[in-house]
Amino acid sequence: DTTVKQNPRYKLARVGKPVNLICSQTMNHDTMYWYQKKPNQAPKLLLFYYDKILNREADTFEKFQSSRPNNSFCSLYIGSAGLEYSAMYLCASSDINQDTQYFGPGTRLLVL
Amino acid sequence: GEQVEQLPSILRVQEGSSASINCSYEDSASNYFPWYKQEPGENPKLIIDIRSNMERKQIQELIVLLDKKAKRFSLHITDTQPGDSAMYFCAASEGTGANTGKLTFGHGTILRVHP
Repeated sequence: DTTVKQNPRYKLARVGKPVNLICSQTMNHDTMYWYQKKPNQAPKLLLFYYDKILNREADTFEKFQSSRPNNSFCSLYIGSAGLEYSAMYLCASSDINQDTQYFGPGTRLLVL
Repeated sequence: GEQVEQLPSILRVQEGSSASINCSYEDSASNYFPWYKQEPGENPKLIIDIRSNMERKQIQELIVLLDKKAKRFSLHITDTQPGDSAMYFCAASEGTGANTGKLTFGHGTILRVHP
């Protein structure tokens, strides 16, 4: 089973409110990634967890948090949503010994 | 960091003809180049990939070419079918490892195959 699941699929949030997105995988992958995709733009890596080690991209360092309570789950947390956070958020996972990343269906976030 | 350019943005072809999508990258350290297909409402799915130790790879109707000197790689779909209509993303990465597995994506190509 190469399924990566994401919840919720759609999220409506108010400006200034927190947002928490969930991703899960049952492939025992050691690495999980979060990408942001806006219309007509390439998916952009926000951060990734290798095991329990969190790596955040420099240009989004202060905007996103994440946690990984166990190997199967990884969350993406926005403390105070702004209009610019409206996007599709894609979660992916991979094994350190392989290059292939498996993607979830995405969560479409709309901030009003 | 790595930058990946992908062209064209939109590609319309007749059923049965071939379709080509071209990507270029900047970081010579990149050595892994996957291609993802995303259909509406679905997650991106890996369809083919190529590593820097190869110049050509084919899986059924999909062919990928890699020119390391020119830092270009391309996807060719032969004998296109309506089911090939989707968004296609190319990507580049330095390959496996805790700090090097991240993908840099192109902007995507919308392929429409007309009957």
